[in-house]
Amino acid sequence: AQSVTQPDIHITVSEGASLELRCNYSYGATPYLFWYVQSPGQGLQLLLKYFSGDTLVQGIKGFEAEFKRSQSSFNLRKPSVHWSDAAEYFCAVVPPQGGSEKLVFGKGTKLTVNP
Amino acid sequence: DSGVTQTPKHLITATGQRVTLRCSPRSGDLSVYWYQQSLDQGLQFLIQYYNGEERAKGNILERFSAQQFPDLHSELNLSSLELGDSALYFCASSGNSASEQFFGPGTRLTVL
Repeated sequence: AQSVTQPDIHITVSEGASLELRCNYSYGATPYLFWYVQSPGQGLQLLLKYFSGDTLVQGIKGFEAEFKRSQSSFNLRKPSVHWSDAAEYFCAVVPPQGGSEKLVFGKGTKLTVNP
Repeated sequence: DSGVTQTPKHLITATGQRVTLRCSPRSGDLSVYWYQQSLDQGLQFLIQYYNGEERAKGNILERFSAQQFPDLHSELNLSSLELGDSALYFCASSGNSASEQFFGPGTRLTVL
């Protein structure tokens, strides 16, 4: 079935440590790929997106993501995590089927940052 | 601030009731999307409107309906409410087909 998978429900890292959040998709062709962040009680903010081209994408707040076609993955990374990065992170795709730009979301990864 | 506004922020109502959630898209955006976020289902697409016309439908119940008005604001109507309809309802807007959607702060609906 076509889907977006975030294997890690909850990740805990120490402040200053590096971070990688995993995302895999299952579609016949490469979809448009996104990472969103949701802080407690807040809406969703777009961190970065990938449509085509350079497979390493830079986003806001020091985040980057790498698209790997061979692994159907779009993992989010940050070299040094700050306490304010504690939030829930959602990988999302626009499926490559045309007709609508609806987003299909993964289940999310909750990030806890220890001081 | 994404530029997308949603009202009300919170809504508490009883089973069987009907409510209307309102969304104003970013200035100039023609597309409006509605999503539901619940603990068991996660974030799910409900419906999309583009310039007043329904463009796509997702897992939207028959008890739910939406419309987009000439000024491009949108309303999501939820009727015959059930406990399971308690969720956070997000509106998003986009201005082109490249799918970059900007989300509002959401309306938290509690059905008692």
